[in-house]
Amino acid sequence: SQTIHQWPATLVQPVGSPLSLECTVEGTSNPNLYWYRQAAGRGLQLLFYSVGIGQISSEVPQNLSASRPQDRQFILSSKKLLLSDSGFYLCAWRAGQGLRVYTFGSGTRLTVV
Amino acid sequence: AQSVTQLGSHVSVSEGALVLLRCNYSSSVPPYLFWYVQYPNQGLQLLLKYTTGATLVKGINGFEAEFKKSETSFHLTKPSAHMSDAAEYFCAVSGNTDKLIFGTGTRLQVFP
Repeated sequence: SQTIHQWPATLVQPVGSPLSLECTVEGTSNPNLYWYRQAAGRGLQLLFYSVGIGQISSEVPQNLSASRPQDRQFILSSKKLLLSDSGFYLCAWRAGQGLRVYTFGSGTRLTVV
Repeated sequence: AQSVTQLGSHVSVSEGALVLLRCNYSSSVPPYLFWYVQYPNQGLQLLLKYTTGATLVKGINGFEAEFKKSETSFHLTKPSAHMSDAAEYFCAVSGNTDKLIFGTGTRLQVFP
């Protein structure tokens, strides 16, 4: 069966520090991968999505970047965190073809101090 | 492009009362529609989805939603609320792209 792993679960980082959040999917190949951010009272905002290795689409201009170095690995990064980067980050995947089933990871709570 | 509007950021009901969470969508192509539930500090769990076919969709935990194309709506209902239904609910739409676009969410409170 397919599973999605996201870590760490919580993270407290100082302003100006770098960030790396990792998401991996098991039990499938060539998934579509997504990063969302949930800020307080603002719903879920799509940040990046990827349909293949090295293919990244950015939805919103921001202080973050994404990379997909392997088929089932999706990384969210920042060189210098801002206070406004605080939020709950969710990774998701769906099969590249077929049913529209989007499955979410358990999320990372990022607090920038 | 697709978008979702969820009317009411907070909804409160008594235990045993009807739950109605509203969702309207915009899509230039036939939409795929979803409802997700989120408990505090957790990821999203799929409640139900509409792809094609029957417009009344039944999901988990007694929830159901009806796709009404003429009203561009996909409201979520449950006949009788339970305390465990207290959570945040998100409506989402996907069209002819691979993107899943969410509404801003509705927080459901259930009072005894």
